[in-house]
Amino acid sequence: GIQVEQSPPDLILQEGANSTLRCNFSDSVNNLQWFHQNPWGQLINLFYIPSGTKQNGRLSATTVATERYSLLYISSSQTTDSGVYFCAAIEGNYQLIWGAGTKLIIKP
Amino acid sequence: NAGVTQTPKFQVLKTGQSMTLQCAQDMNHNSMYWYRQDPGMGLRLIYYSASEGTTDKGEVPNGYNVSRLNKREFSLRLESAAPSQTSVYFCASKSGSLYEQYFGPGTRLTVT
Repeated sequence: GIQVEQSPPDLILQEGANSTLRCNFSDSVNNLQWFHQNPWGQLINLFYIPSGTKQNGRLSATTVATERYSLLYISSSQTTDSGVYFCAAIEGNYQLIWGAGTKLIIKP
Repeated sequence: NAGVTQTPKFQVLKTGQSMTLQCAQDMNHNSMYWYRQDPGMGLRLIYYSASEGTTDKGEVPNGYNVSRLNKREFSLRLESAAPSQTSVYFCASKSGSLYEQYFGPGTRLTVT
């Protein structure tokens, strides 16, 4: 089955900095999602991005399916961006295979 | 439009007790899922229901049962809780024609 690896595992930044989070997957996937889990445990959908680039405010994501990776960019970080960022690859039509996450801490 | 709702938010059980976690969605989605998340890890699929009337095992189904009561509701039952089932449980749903899954707020379960 598909394996999903994320890097880095931890990231500590000052407010205002930019960051890039990476997600590698072991096999061809048709679909990929990025999530933010906030410090209260809530899972927030960020992007559904099987290929190409999408932007939403300060966040953008790029997936290069042929090279089996996806990147999440966060610009001008704010303390509210803190939490864990997960990517998950969709296997078949139903199952999400999750990476271990990148824990992001934004210091004021 | 509440999205995906879960009850209860928190629960403490003693080893051997049983309980049912409830999940409902109001987005008219066909597929529903139950995941567990252990500390420091991503989510793992317990069971899913591709459509009303069907259920299938995921990655970690042992110790759990599910019921797809109708299109809106999907429940997860622990018949005899064990400390290894201490976790946060998330329910999710997805439209049959799209791949994006939407998640509920989670249930934090502790088994002592």
